[in-house]
Amino acid sequence: DSGVTQTPKHLITATGQRVTLRCSPRSGDLSVYWYQQSLDQGLQFLIQYYNGEERAKGNILERFSAQQFPDLHSELNLSSLELGDSALYFCASSVPTGEDTEAFFGQGTRLTVV
Amino acid sequence: GDSVTQMEGPVTLSEEAFLTINCTYTATGYPSLFWYVQYPGEGLQLLLKATKADDKGSNKGFEATYRKETTSFHLEKGSVQVSDSAVYFCALSDRGDDKIIFGKGTRLHILP
Repeated sequence: DSGVTQTPKHLITATGQRVTLRCSPRSGDLSVYWYQQSLDQGLQFLIQYYNGEERAKGNILERFSAQQFPDLHSELNLSSLELGDSALYFCASSVPTGEDTEAFFGQGTRLTVV
Repeated sequence: GDSVTQMEGPVTLSEEAFLTINCTYTATGYPSLFWYVQYPGEGLQLLLKATKADDKGSNKGFEATYRKETTSFHLEKGSVQVSDSAVYFCALSDRGDDKIIFGKGTRLHILP
């Protein structure tokens, strides 16, 4: 158990809909990362938050947004969903140590858009 | 920007064979390097890491050496087991920028 909790584990929704994925980081971790894993694109970095502030942005679509709340949990919002958004969405958390940043991953949310 | 390139899979080996999964990186700074492993149905977990040139990370019989001159961090294991079947990701984290960049992953199948 990594200590990172993601809900829900599975989500099936229709095209055009909006969903919210939730992530609770490990106790004490300030950074939260979101990744999308699809068969053809591998693991794509979406966005990172650190202590409530956006720290880095990757290949995140404008239809997607995220935030990190004062209690450090994070939500990834996906809207106007398309079939191609079907993927595994992972959240990871970390505490930068100065020398390296080791990330701990949740088990992911599998999103299926039909 | 920073990037990681690793060999495409799937890689299929027999049990007790020698494993190498190649990984090269591009970074503007002086990154730390990682190998993560994803077992079926699970999230990624850290396998090993190295934070400076010539460091060797090792865990569970796997090894990788940080080669700054060739910008590489190849994963090796002398004798693989069926239980090593998983997807392996090479990753980097640039100091001063906590973002972690992953390669696309290499699926490994070990046949008994």
